[in-house]
Amino acid sequence: AQRVTQPEKLLSVFKGAPVELKCNYSYSGSPELFWYVQYSRQRLQLLLRHISRESIKGFTADLNKGETSFHLKKPFAQEEDSAMYYCALKVGGNEKLTFGTGTRLTIIP
Amino acid sequence: DADVTQTPRNRITKTGKRIMLECSQTKGHDRMYWYRQDPGLGLRLIYYSFDVKDINKGEISDGYSVSRQAQAKFSLSLESAIPNQTALYFCATSEAAGTGTHGTQYFGPGTRLTVL
Repeated sequence: AQRVTQPEKLLSVFKGAPVELKCNYSYSGSPELFWYVQYSRQRLQLLLRHISRESIKGFTADLNKGETSFHLKKPFAQEEDSAMYYCALKVGGNEKLTFGTGTRLTIIP
Repeated sequence: DADVTQTPRNRITKTGKRIMLECSQTKGHDRMYWYRQDPGLGLRLIYYSFDVKDINKGEISDGYSVSRQAQAKFSLSLESAIPNQTALYFCATSEAAGTGTHGTQYFGPGTRLTVL
């Protein structure tokens, strides 16, 4: 069965420093990977998906099939980036998402 | 996204009571999902439905049941609530395969359920 691992439950970064939230997955086929974010008192929402190859709010994520990783990166952290981040995996024609356990990112002013 | 709503937003109940959580959406999506969120465990899928006549169990369906009353409504029931069902429950929707945003799920605001 597919699995998503986010090794860091908590991550604190100073404002202006680079951010990297790690995500590894286990699946032998061609997955679709997503990052979802939950800001304080807001609902969970899509941040970005790998097939769009886009940058959202300064965040990017590259799918590395060799390392089975989809790490989320931002070169300069901002205070408004403080939130809970979930990596999620969709496989094949299956519409279900498998979520990681999440990383709570705190940006220190 | 205000297109996905959940009621109630908060509920405190006692062990053994029957509870129903409701989800409604105006996005016109066929697919609907129920998750529970627990600290350190992330989101886990309880049930999902790809259309009105299709109901499927997720990874943690024991102790729960669902009803898809219409395309826009998907209810989650706890037949006899127990304390370890205390959690934050989320409803989500998504478009069918073949559309531009399929795979993207849109979440409701959540229902915080406490079972005493």
